[in-house]
Amino acid sequence: DIVMTQSPDSLAVSLGERATINCKSSQSLLYNSNNKNYLAWYQQKPGQPPKVLIYWASTRESGVPDRFSGSGSGTDFTLTISSLQAEDVAVYYCQQYYTNPPYTFGQGTKLEIK
Amino acid sequence: EVQLVESGGGLVQPGGSLRLSCAASGFTFSSYAMSWVRQAPGKGLEWVSYVSDNSGGTYYADSVRGRFTISRDNSKNTLYLQMNSLRVEDTALYYCAKDWVSGVVDYWGQGTLVTVSS
Repeated sequence: DIVMTQSPDSLAVSLGERATINCKSSQSLLYNSNNKNYLAWYQQKPGQPPKVLIYWASTRESGVPDRFSGSGSGTDFTLTISSLQAEDVAVYYCQQYYTNPPYTFGQGTKLEIK
Repeated sequence: EVQLVESGGGLVQPGGSLRLSCAASGFTFSSYAMSWVRQAPGKGLEWVSYVSDNSGGTYYADSVRGRFTISRDNSKNTLYLQMNSLRVEDTALYYCAKDWVSGVVDYWGQGTLVTVSS
């Protein structure tokens, strides 16, 4: 099974500053035939189900603010929030969908305001 | 508007059974794969089970294989999860999830809570 490891486990960032969350997979998520990375990012606010932010590692879901961006390829990926807003306080998960299901999530990164 | 409404959760003793349901509306249910994802209290997300659009493919997490069975009724726009031989560690909020792009979930239900305790 592919293991997804996020870092850090928690993060405190000042409003307006940049937040960076990393995700590492135990094997490459790059499918050579279509050059796509099978990696998604979700945001989960307290008491709510998750919400997809990014898929194919860097494609922003419709309606997601452009301060959210995804990057990386192969086994190393990053979610960046360019200017943290109060409403961005949440737990963030990466998820691989490279293999047959069940897909696997990272353990989550809790983002707070400093 | 897409809606996924789970039901069937509750308190059950270890070794017992429950059947979860997810009523779907607002999209062509028969065209999309569906999954169950769970979240233990205060913990992260765990993908439990997946069924393809026509029920031709089903997959399970190692932690539930042989105990849980996923199914769907496309005529009723409903997804199911039959859970047998429940364990304390199965205690979680169970989400119904609509698969959108090869494993990316674009819609989630609000979840139904399963508590396994004596």
